[in-house]
Amino acid sequence: AQSVTQLDSQVPVFEEAPVELRCNYSSSVSVYLFWYVQYPNQGLQLLLKYLSGSTLVKGINGFEAEFNKSQTSFHLRKPSVHISDTAEYFCAVSDPSGSEKLVFGKGTKLTVNP
Amino acid sequence: EAGVAQSPRYKIIEKRQSVAFWCNPISGHATLYWYQQILGQGPKLLIQFQNNGVVDDSQLPKDRFSAERLKGVDSTLKIQPAKLEDSAVYLCASSLGQGVRGTEAFFGQGTRLTVV
Repeated sequence: AQSVTQLDSQVPVFEEAPVELRCNYSSSVSVYLFWYVQYPNQGLQLLLKYLSGSTLVKGINGFEAEFNKSQTSFHLRKPSVHISDTAEYFCAVSDPSGSEKLVFGKGTKLTVNP
Repeated sequence: EAGVAQSPRYKIIEKRQSVAFWCNPISGHATLYWYQQILGQGPKLLIQFQNNGVVDDSQLPKDRFSAERLKGVDSTLKIQPAKLEDSAVYLCASSLGQGVRGTEAFFGQGTRLTVV
């Protein structure tokens, strides 16, 4: 079975500071990896995904993530955050050879302060 | 392009009552998911449809939850009878499916259920 661990439940940062949201996964097979963002009272929106190929993946809103197979990690980064980045961020994994259902972590609440 | 539509947005019911949620996926999307998101947790898959067939319902509490996807388009999720622990946001999502690997799942805004 697959699982995802998001190591930080809350991350407060100041505007224009860099941020890293950590994600580790557990799987006995190769995986697809995703980061979703959820704004208050909204559904989830895809930020970026890793399917194969280059381990550095760029997404929307200036976010990027790096797939590290040896460390089973997929950390999300942004060099300079804005107030509008305040939201909940979810890391998810799916099995390419299975039904492709998403298994989510518990989420990281990013709060950007002025 | 219209997104995934869900209704109602909010619902408050008493325990032991029944409730139903509706989802209309993005046109042409073969795969439809229902997720349950309890406060402070990530979404958990309840059921996955491919067209009108069930692919995965291993985490659906079948003694009280049921779901159907008639004609492979709209879907309804029902809870009968509801328990206090069913209070959560119910998210519907859809994706192209049909053997296209790694496609994005698009989520609706969800239905927030409160059981009192």
